[in-house]
Amino acid sequence: EVQLVQSGAEVKKPGESLKISCKASGYGFSSYWIGWVRQMPGKGLEWVGIIYPGDSDTKYSPSFQGHVTISVDKSITTAYLQWSSLKASDSAKYYCTRYAPGYSSGLYSVYWGQGTLVTVSS
Amino acid sequence: IVLTQSPGTLSLSPGERATLSCRASQSVSSSYVAWYQQKPGQTPRLLIYAASSRATGIPDRFTGSGSGTDFTLTISRLEPEDIAVYYCQQYGRPPLTFGGGTKVEIK
Repeated sequence: EVQLVQSGAEVKKPGESLKISCKASGYGFSSYWIGWVRQMPGKGLEWVGIIYPGDSDTKYSPSFQGHVTISVDKSITTAYLQWSSLKASDSAKYYCTRYAPGYSSGLYSVYWGQGTLVTVSS
Repeated sequence: IVLTQSPGTLSLSPGERATLSCRASQSVSSSYVAWYQQKPGQTPRLLIYAASSRATGIPDRFTGSGSGTDFTLTISRLEPEDIAVYYCQQYGRPPLTFGGGTKVEIK
């Protein structure tokens, strides 16, 4: 059974750094794209970016490029989303998602984590 | 690619047909459009991929159609459990993008 288990809720101050995680299990971690989706309070879904654990090829939305970093640790089948300097506007729920097989033809989200709520407030 | 969903909110009675629209700002290659359902307080769920292929376990009252720039999700007979926000997504090429969502309410 495919499972994506995300780290718990975080409360941070503006300017602080943060790294949230997504532990994957039940499939060949290196062989499927995995990524992140943001949902601000009461708003819609926004695509953040994706990574292919096999070779760490990473793609970002222009809206998030340069502000977040997506990475993986294959040894523990875990994906990460990190910020070096948080802003209040980063407050949102962040979902980890695993895609179907293949690039392009498979970049739709089949499995979702439970979400990590990030609150940034002074 | 910008995706525009309409209407913003759809209010229908149980048993009625719901038609949700997703229009792309440019043609989506190979009809790489997916639809997701997000019920209140829940994680999104994949309904449709490749514009018209139903995901595993999705009831056949959900149908996807369309090509090019115009895509549609149809719920043939609305049930109370279908109360949710529905999002389309294009995945022809990164950056992937989502539509703004259509909220389906029961009258």
